[in-house]
Amino acid sequence: NAGVTQTPKFRVLKTGQSMTLLCAQDMNHEYMYWYRQDPGMGLRLIHYSVGEGTTAKGEVPDGYNVSRLKKQNFLLGLESAAPSQTSVYFCASSSKRWDRARPSNQPQHFGDGTRLSIL
Amino acid sequence: GENVEQHPSTLSVQEGDSAVIKCTYSDSASNYFPWYKQELGKRPQLIIDIRSNVGEKKDQRIAVTLNKTAKHFSLHITETQPEDSAVYFCAAPPIPHPGGTSYGKLTFGQGTILTVHP
Repeated sequence: NAGVTQTPKFRVLKTGQSMTLLCAQDMNHEYMYWYRQDPGMGLRLIHYSVGEGTTAKGEVPDGYNVSRLKKQNFLLGLESAAPSQTSVYFCASSSKRWDRARPSNQPQHFGDGTRLSIL
Repeated sequence: GENVEQHPSTLSVQEGDSAVIKCTYSDSASNYFPWYKQELGKRPQLIIDIRSNVGEKKDQRIAVTLNKTAKHFSLHITETQPEDSAVYFCAAPPIPHPGGTSYGKLTFGQGTILTVHP
């Protein structure tokens, strides 16, 4: 059981280049999330997905796109990278549970992160 | 949306002392409060969580307390050890979508850098 796997672990891009970060989870989780982590700002939600074929904007979505064609994979794309997107990116997933007919928050499980530098 | 404030931003203690980190949240409907530990260069990992139907939960040297009236929850680490040195994040779910679910989303605090000196 690998949990949540992110690729690549490191990447250096030039301004204007594009790339895709891949997240894969083997826990059959419904929900998946992409965060960016910057010093002193904690984890900020970029986009999330509540199931295969669905995505939604988070707190800081500008400059990013996502896709979830398969339940186990959640892709984060940068179409035209900018220096402001230099950050550590984390993917996470959580299960969908109900407790006494009400939605029940479950822990999020994180990948190891991708360190992205844009020159 | 949910606003989560975490204090202090840095905390330095001697080995064996206790450490307390506090978070406040804004949405009185929030019902789930996890704490994550992130070692340098590693992923955030859940260390303890509490739901709104209890006031305290303990797991060996760590405990979390919840005060729903004041809308704050705290992480307590007793008998600290150098390996407790890390960044700690609290989190709370944002205001639910219509229908009652926040889809598992979390709003994170800014983090506390805990340093335990031997």
